[in-house]
Amino acid sequence: EAQVTQNPRYLITVTGKKLTVTCSQNMNHEYMSWYRQDPGLGLRQIYYSMNVEVTDKGDVPEGYKVSRKEKRNFPLILESPSPNQTSLYFCASKRQGARRDYGYTFGSGTRLTVV
Amino acid sequence: GEDVEQSLFLSVREGDSSVINCTYTDSSSTYLYWYKQEPGAGLQLLTYIFSNMDMKQDQRLTVLLNKKDKHLSLRIADTQTGDSAIYFCAASYGNNRLAFGKGNQVVVIP
Repeated sequence: EAQVTQNPRYLITVTGKKLTVTCSQNMNHEYMSWYRQDPGLGLRQIYYSMNVEVTDKGDVPEGYKVSRKEKRNFPLILESPSPNQTSLYFCASKRQGARRDYGYTFGSGTRLTVV
Repeated sequence: GEDVEQSLFLSVREGDSSVINCTYTDSSSTYLYWYKQEPGAGLQLLTYIFSNMDMKQDQRLTVLLNKKDKHLSLRIADTQTGDSAIYFCAASYGNNRLAFGKGNQVVVIP
């Protein structure tokens, strides 16, 4: 089944303890992205990657890091999490197409709580 | 960048039609999307429309695009209880980036 898989689904952690949320897609998509969803704010883009070894900041990149060493994986790293990073996180991927748009495929989300 | 606005809440009776509206600011947006988010789930692509189209119909879903006013709407015919969800409008811009609205909660009353 074509999908974007995020792990873990739920995570509670303490301030300052480094964590990584993994994201993997099996559709050979070039484009991958991380979003956070907060009440009243909708979805905001954290980082995105156009292809392997190509990453760029989204609208709210502060406090996050990403890497794209392989096409299928795009982990989100929080080096020193803070309570304001408590949120619902989504990974998404998309095939790059010259003639048409294929839309984004989203993972099921990771609910992160930082205490 | 792109800014997308949408109304926040809609209550509709089962069997009626629902209409959700959205406005965006960047006239160069090539694709406009509607996503559905059910409780505890990720976002599911419902439909999308290319900017050179005025209308797209897909079974119970009708998307209308007024490019001049930068206005997008989604009509759901014969709304069912399974349509209760949050609906997000999104517009493409830049390097395959998407700007999302804040989401419209649709509640279907049996």
